[in-house]
Amino acid sequence: NAGVTQTPKFQVLKTGQSMTLQCAQDMNHEYMSWYRQDPGMGLRLIHYSVGAGITDQGEVPNGYNVSRSTTEDFPLRLLSAAPSQTSVYFCASSYGDGGPEQYFGPGTRLTVT
Amino acid sequence: GIQVEQSPPDLILQEGANSTLRCNFSDSVNNLQWFHQNPWGQLINLFYIPSGTKQNGRLSATTVATERYSLLYISSSQTTDSGVYFCAVEAGNQFYFGTGTSLTVIP
Repeated sequence: NAGVTQTPKFQVLKTGQSMTLQCAQDMNHEYMSWYRQDPGMGLRLIHYSVGAGITDQGEVPNGYNVSRSTTEDFPLRLLSAAPSQTSVYFCASSYGDGGPEQYFGPGTRLTVT
Repeated sequence: GIQVEQSPPDLILQEGANSTLRCNFSDSVNNLQWFHQNPWGQLINLFYIPSGTKQNGRLSATTVATERYSLLYISSSQTTDSGVYFCAVEAGNQFYFGTGTSLTVIP
């Protein structure tokens, strides 16, 4: 199993550009989520999904969209990038209802200039 | 949302020393997990421990859900234990992370 994969590993965007961060898992997990990690802070939940076709907002959803058309994939879209979205983004998955264990991808380091 | 506080924020240990990390949370939770983020940024799941005590090698964890806290014990620390330790709690399908304890183990 590859586990949770994320692409790209690094990305630089200009303000106003859009892009999609990809996340995929091969463990047949129902629950998937996106987090951002800023320096000196813990991870903050952006969006999550409890199954294909179902998504919901987390703590910091503004400026981000998600969709879940398959169990395996959970892309995160930045519609119009802003410098405040400079961060490290992590995708995670687990069997259900956020538990029992979350498995994290390697992260995407995004810089918006 | 639920507030998660971790202490201490920073910890420097000599190799071989023991330590206790604490996580307090502000409300009832369904799930509590401890993670280690290594110096390369990778997040590793250490324990799923909504209540009770678990041990895995030199690490053990205890959660007292009724008193809303969890403890992570690291014994005989090694330089590879360095990194940031996060506590995360789940309620209503949402996870809330603390700001972490940054551990440095010096040889």
